[in-house]
Amino acid sequence: KAGVTQTPRYLIKTRGQQVTLSCSPISGHRSVSWYQQTPGQGLQFLFEYFSETQRNKGNFPGRFSGRQFSNSRSEMNVSTLELGDSALYLCASSLGLAGGRALETQYFGPGTRLLVL
Amino acid sequence: GDSVTQMEGPVTLSEEACLTINCTYTATGYPSLFWYVQYPGEGLQLLLKATKADDKGSNKGFEATYRKETTSFHLEKGSVQVSDSAVYFCALNTGNQFYFGTGTSLTVIP
Repeated sequence: KAGVTQTPRYLIKTRGQQVTLSCSPISGHRSVSWYQQTPGQGLQFLFEYFSETQRNKGNFPGRFSGRQFSNSRSEMNVSTLELGDSALYLCASSLGLAGGRALETQYFGPGTRLLVL
Repeated sequence: GDSVTQMEGPVTLSEEACLTINCTYTATGYPSLFWYVQYPGEGLQLLLKATKADDKGSNKGFEATYRKETTSFHLEKGSVQVSDSAVYFCALNTGNQFYFGTGTSLTVIP
């Protein structure tokens, strides 16, 4: 079974621009979560999508948004980029069980490394 | 609130040395616990997991036991290899969200 894929793998943008990152989950997985990883802040949760609905959200400004499509693929958008948005953005998928969510495992993609100049 | 605290790094060991990376958690209910490993330039890979108290997760010579009485999930390996050099993350799934530790960098020298 193919793993979680993320595109693009690397991206360079300038301040003020906007960017869209894409994530394709493992086949059959309905939940997709996004994380921002930086050396100073570690792994920070952005949001989770399940069945095309945002199910959970971290403490990030409204410039960070996402969506999920009917095939469970997800996109994350960052508008008005700032230098501090430079990071590795990781996507993780899980089954999205109706019950027993605490038993689920997240599987990560390789990440998209974003550099904002 | 729910959280994970793991041992600060970096950790440097000689090949064949014993490894312990401490991880403690705060959570209500019955969370699952995980260790993930991240190699340079890659995403996080699941190393092992445990879903209930006293469960032992194991993989590639690594082990961790879910200790509810001490709210801990320490990662151990009896003999590390150079190829184990990576960053290790302890994680908690409360059923509502995943929480990750800050990561512990391990370097194994020949």
